[in-house]
Amino acid sequence: DAGVIQSPRHEVTEMGQEVTLRCKPISGHDYLFWYRQTMMRGLELLIYFNNNVPIDDSGMPEDRFSAKMPNASFSTLKIQPSEPRDSAVYFCASSPSGGGEAFFGQGTRLTVV
Amino acid sequence: RKEVEQDPGPFNVPEGATVAFNCTYSNSASQSFFWYRQDCRKEPKLLMSVYSSGNEDGRFTAQLNRASQYISLLIRDSKLSDSATYLCVVNGNTGNQFYFGTGTSLTVIP
Repeated sequence: DAGVIQSPRHEVTEMGQEVTLRCKPISGHDYLFWYRQTMMRGLELLIYFNNNVPIDDSGMPEDRFSAKMPNASFSTLKIQPSEPRDSAVYFCASSPSGGGEAFFGQGTRLTVV
Repeated sequence: RKEVEQDPGPFNVPEGATVAFNCTYSNSASQSFFWYRQDCRKEPKLLMSVYSSGNEDGRFTAQLNRASQYISLLIRDSKLSDSATYLCVVNGNTGNQFYFGTGTSLTVIP
């Protein structure tokens, strides 16, 4: 398996633009997580899905953030409109079971100017 | 209060030294505990799970103290390749969320 695949790897956008981050989890994994990492706050859990259903989105910072998982092999995290403070590395991770190991993608480095 | 708290360091140690990291967690109901390693500009990867009885993997030893709600990681005979950020991870209320500490930075010096 190729592991968790995220795209794009890098994204630079202007404030106010819509940004869509994409994730393909490992096949067979029932859980998918979106994290944001910054120097100041570390790794923050934004939202996670179980069997494509959003279970806990309490970490989503604002209504500007939304996430979907239309099927078992694809998820998106959208920011609309983007702001400079959204600049961070966004990781997607998947897990075969809730309490076990989480496998991370390589991340998307987002810069909003 | 944060779910997981770690001393960010940095820890700068000479090769061959023994170094220990601690991490505290707030949710007494947490059942799963892990240490992850993250290299610069890379994704986090599982280093080891932490079991109630403590566990060892080569030069690495992890321990859990439920009464005090902390976990620890001990690295013996440090190698240059151990230089990384070490993240403490605890699961949440439903058992399905993973909460990460902010990480402890380790640099092993020749």
